[in-house]
Amino acid sequence: DTEVTQTPKHLVMGMTNKKSLKCEQHMGHRAMYWYKQKAKKPPELMFVYSYEKLSINESVPSRFSPECPNSSLLNLHLHALQPEDSALYLCASSQERGYEQYFGPGTRLTVT
Amino acid sequence: QKEVEQNSGPLSVPEGAIASLNCTYSDRGSQSFFWYRQYSGKSPELIMSIYSNGDKEDGRFTAQLNKASQYVSLLIRDSQPSDSATYLCAVTGFQKLVFGTGTRLLVSP
Repeated sequence: DTEVTQTPKHLVMGMTNKKSLKCEQHMGHRAMYWYKQKAKKPPELMFVYSYEKLSINESVPSRFSPECPNSSLLNLHLHALQPEDSALYLCASSQERGYEQYFGPGTRLTVT
Repeated sequence: QKEVEQNSGPLSVPEGAIASLNCTYSDRGSQSFFWYRQYSGKSPELIMSIYSNGDKEDGRFTAQLNKASQYVSLLIRDSQPSDSATYLCAVTGFQKLVFGTGTRLLVSP
């Protein structure tokens, strides 16, 4: 089973809202990732968690705040987003950093 | 120079033909190489991984790796219209996955 789940599938939020994206995997993977993908572009790495600790932050604005409550869960807290933050947000996991990554279905975010 | 380069396409092939997708990378220290398929509006799906020089076959897919030339390719035999998608080459570098911009493949019936 190589399933990564993400909720919600779609999210529309205003620029003053606070919302959270959730990601879950039950494969025993110890690395989890957040990516942002704009149309016709490849996924762009945002954050990497390894053994529940943040190991990479790709200079992401502070309006995006990741959290890893346990080895199976990854959250992305959103606050005061801009319309240009509208994108497909992808979660992925891998056995360890550097191993093959499996993506969830993504959350389509629209900021109005 | 981009870290991972792919021709954006579209690459158009007729149904039943072999589709050949190519990728070059700049980091000689890269150890792991992946091909992802992404349908429009969907998330990337891992279809092949390759770690050593040579060919690796899985069904209709064959991945080829040449580390000396810093080149990795994906062959799709007996292409089907359902193979029409964007194919992303990804390479591990500095423990991060670096993606190419993807090649759009169109298989016509």
